[in-house]
Amino acid sequence: SAVISQKPSRDICQRGTSLTIQCQVDSQVTMMFWYRQQPGQSLTLIATANQGSEATYESGFVIDKFPISRPNLTFSTLTVSNMSPEDSSIYLCSVEESTDTQYFGPGTRLTVL
Amino acid sequence: GENVEQHPSTLSVQEGDSAVIKCTYSDSASNYFPWYKQELGKRPQLIIDIRSNVGEKKDQRIAVTLNKTAKHFSLHITETQPEDSAVYFCAARRTGGGNKLTFGTGTQLKVEL
Repeated sequence: SAVISQKPSRDICQRGTSLTIQCQVDSQVTMMFWYRQQPGQSLTLIATANQGSEATYESGFVIDKFPISRPNLTFSTLTVSNMSPEDSSIYLCSVEESTDTQYFGPGTRLTVL
Repeated sequence: GENVEQHPSTLSVQEGDSAVIKCTYSDSASNYFPWYKQELGKRPQLIIDIRSNVGEKKDQRIAVTLNKTAKHFSLHITETQPEDSAVYFCAARRTGGGNKLTFGTGTQLKVEL
């Protein structure tokens, strides 16, 4: 399976600031996704990161709050903008391989004060 | 859209016993059903998956069964060990580009000595 890394692994941020999370894969993949996992909860899809075009957002998530870039087939970024304490969560990227199987990155633990 | 329900939310078993986690899905067109294990502070890891053209799949102590008519699938863990303690998530999707995974709410499995 693909090797996925995320940076940063964790961060503590002040209210009103923005944080950009990076996701790097060691092989080219067509599908990349961004999820949020709040403490003790399941995985919620934020958006599908499309290479060369705008991301596809799920209901309840908007581009102004969670802008996403996907410049190539191995890299994507998620920005959490104008953060509030409610944005404190774990953010995970995932990739889908040709077999339809989906693998997750290690996650970024974000705390907003 | 797809809706996945998962039961139980918590499950406690004695070491060596079997554990069963059940999920139901709503979209009859879903044809891919993975299971993820998430240990505390770690990423979700794919442990087994099944496609709708088979009714059962085994991998050592883990098995998954699928009943397409009833639209439910189950994870079976035999001879449980303390290292099986984790949160388990089921998921469902239609295969093909652009179709997202829908996750269940998770089951906290605790294997007691």
